[in-house]
Amino acid sequence: QVQLQESGPGLVKPSGTLSLTCAVSGGSISSSNWWSWIRQPPGKGLEWIGEIYHSGSTNYNPSLKSRVTISVDKSKNQFSLKLSSVTAADTAVYYCARNQGVVVPAAFDYWGQGTLVTVSS
Amino acid sequence: EIVLTQSPDFQSVTPKEKVTITCRASQSIGSSLHWYQQKPDQSPKLLIKYASQSFSGVPSRFSGSGSGTDFTLTINSLEAEDAATYYCHQSSSLNTFGQGTKLEIK
Repeated sequence: QVQLQESGPGLVKPSGTLSLTCAVSGGSISSSNWWSWIRQPPGKGLEWIGEIYHSGSTNYNPSLKSRVTISVDKSKNQFSLKLSSVTAADTAVYYCARNQGVVVPAAFDYWGQGTLVTVSS
Repeated sequence: EIVLTQSPDFQSVTPKEKVTITCRASQSIGSSLHWYQQKPDQSPKLLIKYASQSFSGVPSRFSGSGSGTDFTLTINSLEAEDAATYYCHQSSSLNTFGQGTKLEIK
């Protein structure tokens, strides 16, 4: 059973950079899956941030692309998110998730439990 | 960007009732449409993949249909534990989610 666990600071200052890591266990990040970051502002819906393949190929949400970097560390079986120039609008629960599609993205079958990141001074 | 529009936004239903939630895509996405259930303070859970394929372990009262731009999630004989918010998601072109449908059990 694949498990994902997000970690990182729960509080980030405005204009700073949000950094999160997702540790994958019970499976290899080098499998033929894409790995995503998804966020959910308090009381609102889900927003896809971006995804990475173990080769390092990435796709990003066009609305966030200029501020987002997703990277992979195969030696640690984890992937990471950096979101720069954050504002209060970036306050959200951040989830990491596995896309079950083999090479071609499909549905998200495994999710982390989510971590709340608050942007505030 | 492909926009997904769900209806209704909110529905209050009684146990054993049949519920239908729809998801309309702004352009054709074939069958690349998936459904999730999210309960308060929990991560979303995959219910249906590729419009009509049930995910492992999901109760048989959940079913999906549709293709192209119009999709439906049906819950037969609703149970109290089905109180949740339901989201559709398309993977045809990058990824986007519908705005969600909150289901309240009377």
